[in-house]
Amino acid sequence: AQTVTQSQPEMSVQEAETVTLSCTYDTSESNYYLFWYKQPPSRQMILVIRQEAYKQQNATENRFSVNFQKAAKSFSLKISDSQLGDTAMYFCAFMPTYSGAGSYQLTFGKGTKLSVIP
Amino acid sequence: NAGVTQTPKFQVLKTGQSMTLQCAQDMNHEYMSWYRQDPGMGLRLIHYSVGAGITDQGEVPNGYNVSRSTTEDFPLRLLSAAPSQTSVYFCASRLNRRVANTEAFFGQGTRLTVV
Repeated sequence: AQTVTQSQPEMSVQEAETVTLSCTYDTSESNYYLFWYKQPPSRQMILVIRQEAYKQQNATENRFSVNFQKAAKSFSLKISDSQLGDTAMYFCAFMPTYSGAGSYQLTFGKGTKLSVIP
Repeated sequence: NAGVTQTPKFQVLKTGQSMTLQCAQDMNHEYMSWYRQDPGMGLRLIHYSVGAGITDQGEVPNGYNVSRSTTEDFPLRLLSAAPSQTSVYFCASRLNRRVANTEAFFGQGTRLTVV
C-alpha cells in the first residue's frame, strides 16, 4: 500500500514571501501521478498542480511550482509571492497507474495548514 | 454545468439512525467516489464506482453502503449511525478511472455529526 507523509502539520508565511510545503511518499510503483490540492475555509477541494512521474521537468502553475525528486520520493510545493487567499489546508496526493487493485485511486496525506500573515 | 452537487451540507443524526448522503454530477463522469475527512487524517476513500452498476470498497467501507444505478448519482448510505462516523464527507468524480491526468472534481462536502 502507498503512504503519503506531510511532516508539517502547520506553517505560516508573511504575505509576499515564499514558502515550501513538504511531501514524501512510499511506493514500489514506477508509474504514478502526484497532486497538490488546496482546501480553503470554504471546504472546497481545489487542484493546485499535478506531476506525472515519468516527466523529469517540474510542474509549474503561475506562483505554484513543485520540486519532484523521484529517487528520494519527494514532492514539495513552493508558493511564491504568498497572498492572503493562499491561506488554506494543503493536501499532497498520490495516484498509481498500474492495473491492479488500488490502481488509479487517490491516497492523501494528512495535510498542512498554511496561514499567510499580512 | 453544476459540477458535483452534494446534499445536505450539514446534518445531525442520533446514534442508530440511518440516512443517505446524496451526490450528483452532470459532467457524464464514469468514476465517482466517496471520502471522509477527519482532523489530522486527511481524506480516506470509503467506496468508489467505475460506472453505473459497478461499485467497490475503499479503505474505510465499514458502516456504509453505496449503489450506482445511473451515471449521474452515487448516494452514500449510513445504515446505523455511530459517533465514529462524525466527519466531513466528500463526493468526487473524474471522467474515467484510467485517465489519471484528468482532474477530480469534488463536491462542497457534508458535515455530519452523530450524537
